[in-house]
Amino acid sequence: QVQLQESGPGLVKPSETLSLTCTVSGGSISNYFWTWNRQSPGKGLEWIGYVHHSGSTNYNPSLKSRVSISLDTSKSQFSLKLSSVTAADTAVYYCARDRDHYDSSSGLYYYYGMDVWGQGTTVTVSS
Amino acid sequence: DTVLTQSPATLSLSPGERATLSCRASQLVSTYLAWYQQKPGQAPRLLIYDASNRATGIPARFSGSGSGTDFTLTIGSLEPEDFAVYYCQQRDNWPYTFGQGTKLEIK
Repeated sequence: QVQLQESGPGLVKPSETLSLTCTVSGGSISNYFWTWNRQSPGKGLEWIGYVHHSGSTNYNPSLKSRVSISLDTSKSQFSLKLSSVTAADTAVYYCARDRDHYDSSSGLYYYYGMDVWGQGTTVTVSS
Repeated sequence: DTVLTQSPATLSLSPGERATLSCRASQLVSTYLAWYQQKPGQAPRLLIYDASNRATGIPARFSGSGSGTDFTLTIGSLEPEDFAVYYCQQRDNWPYTFGQGTKLEIK
């Protein structure tokens, strides 16, 4: 079955760029939204953004000026970059697979949820 | 942003009892709502999608209902493994958001 695995540094200095990669194994990149979420004690779960298999992206406005998500289909990976980090960016970062479907014949839209998650990686911002 | 308010914050019940968890949205989200279960040290696990559909492998004791702004997750008869934190999440209005969670604890 499909598995996701996050990788990247666990410690980032303030003002630097956080970079994480999620590797997709056991399934196709196509027809999904590939998302990054994070969880911190102070803010709970937060949706960071996604990259669609087509390459389109969408980011949380609260992070939009600092975040970038990209997809490398040849490696079955997608990546997160978050610039100018502060202590407030300390969190567990999760990658996940998300899916929806628009049925053009009925005009109905369906949301299938984030059904596969990575195990999460803890990132601490500290000097 | 669409705020999802979950209640109660903590629910104390015994195995075998029925659990009812609420999620209220600050604006309409149609049925584009999902529920997740999270245990300590683990990633969230999808339980319910599109407000009322059980995800693959989820036991029938889990059910979801609601549309618009009011949603409910019901666990019919609690098993020991059901004690965890539960989150709702909406995917109708950007940015997509999660509720703050309901902790289901053993009484």
